[in-house]
Amino acid sequence: DIQMTQSPSTLSASVGDRVTITCRASQSINTWLAWYQQKPGKAPKVLISKASSLKSGVPSRFSGSGSGTEFTLTISSLQPDDFATYYCQHYDSYFQAFGQGTKVEIK
Amino acid sequence: EVQLVQSGAEVKMPGESLRISCKGSGYSFSSSWISWVRQLPGKGLEWMGKIDPSDSAVRYSPSFQGQVTISVDTSISTAYLQWGSLKASDTAMYYCARSPLVAAIDDWGQGTLVSVSS
Repeated sequence: DIQMTQSPSTLSASVGDRVTITCRASQSINTWLAWYQQKPGKAPKVLISKASSLKSGVPSRFSGSGSGTEFTLTISSLQPDDFATYYCQHYDSYFQAFGQGTKVEIK
Repeated sequence: EVQLVQSGAEVKMPGESLRISCKGSGYSFSSSWISWVRQLPGKGLEWMGKIDPSDSAVRYSPSFQGQVTISVDTSISTAYLQWGSLKASDTAMYYCARSPLVAAIDDWGQGTLVSVSS
């Protein structure tokens, strides 16, 4: 099975900071990767698909990059609404797997 | 508007059976996969498996194979997640989610909280 590993698990940052979260796959997944944001008590929301395609309505301060086994989610200037937990997810025809999550906290 | 509406919270005892549901609307139900995702209290998201409503083909995560059953009734646009014998460790929030075939999850249900306790 493909394993997804995120780092860091927790990230403390201030409003306006540039934030980067990394996701590594245990084997190459091409660009079959999505990023989600989840706030407490709510269902996740997709931010990015195909590693770097920003979903409609998602602010442009969010961006994704990478291919193969290493991927990043970058928030260019952290806003108060961005404090949440972020998950990467591999998806294909047969299988899906989430990373363990990265909690972005207020510094 | 796409909506996935899940059945309500459940409180069960160990050993009991359970089926929870997820009704889709606002799109062609057979055109998208439905996945089930578990979230243990205070923990991350775990993909359990998915079903293709067009042919009822199911794929399970190895972690959940044999532990749960995923099914669908296309006549009422509803997917199901079923347990034959619940354990306390099944206590979690369960989400259904829709993805247009090989694509990221676009839509999520509101979640169904399952509590298993003696």
